[in-house]
Amino acid sequence: NAGVTQTPKFRVLKTGQSMTLLCAQDMNHEYMYWYRQDPGMGLRLIHYSVGEGTTAKGEVPDGYNVSRLKKQNFLLGLESAAPSQTSVYFCASSYLAEQTNEQFFGPGTRLTVL
Amino acid sequence: RKEVEQDPGPFNVPEGATVAFNCTYSNSASQSFFWYRQDCRKEPKLLMSVYSSGNEDGRFTAQLNRASQYISLLIRDSKLSDSATYLCVVGRYNTDKLIFGTGTRLQVFP
Repeated sequence: NAGVTQTPKFRVLKTGQSMTLLCAQDMNHEYMYWYRQDPGMGLRLIHYSVGEGTTAKGEVPDGYNVSRLKKQNFLLGLESAAPSQTSVYFCASSYLAEQTNEQFFGPGTRLTVL
Repeated sequence: RKEVEQDPGPFNVPEGATVAFNCTYSNSASQSFFWYRQDCRKEPKLLMSVYSSGNEDGRFTAQLNRASQYISLLIRDSKLSDSATYLCVVGRYNTDKLIFGTGTRLQVFP
């Protein structure tokens, strides 16, 4: 099993450009998440999904959109990139068991917006 | 106040030392607790869950104090390979969100 994969691994954008980050998981997890990680800020939740066809806003959703058309994929879109969106983006997935909601992370996408 | 707070460190310790990290959380409804490890430029990975009775995994011991709302991680006999950032993570029971601390950096030197 590949676990959680993300593409691309690195990307440089100019202000105003758009792009889509792809996350895929092969663990049949219902829940998927997009985080950004910035120095001194920790991981912050952007959007998440509790199942195919459903999405919800997290802590910092502005400037991002998401889609979950298939259970195994979760896409993060930047409509008009801004320098403030320079960050490392992590996708994660999880199942909900009675006592745990461990999340499994992808390797991350390093995005720079000039 | 942040929902999960950790001392950012860095903690610089020699090989073989014992080191302890603490973490406090503000939401008393939190019911699941974890320590994640994150190596430089890598993704976070689960180190261990933290149970009410405390739990041990080799050189690592995690404790939970619900009354004081803090979690601890003890690393005994530190190895060079333990150098990483340790993230304290809490979540509410049967919900879809985890709250991550900003992490405590550990550097083990020879």
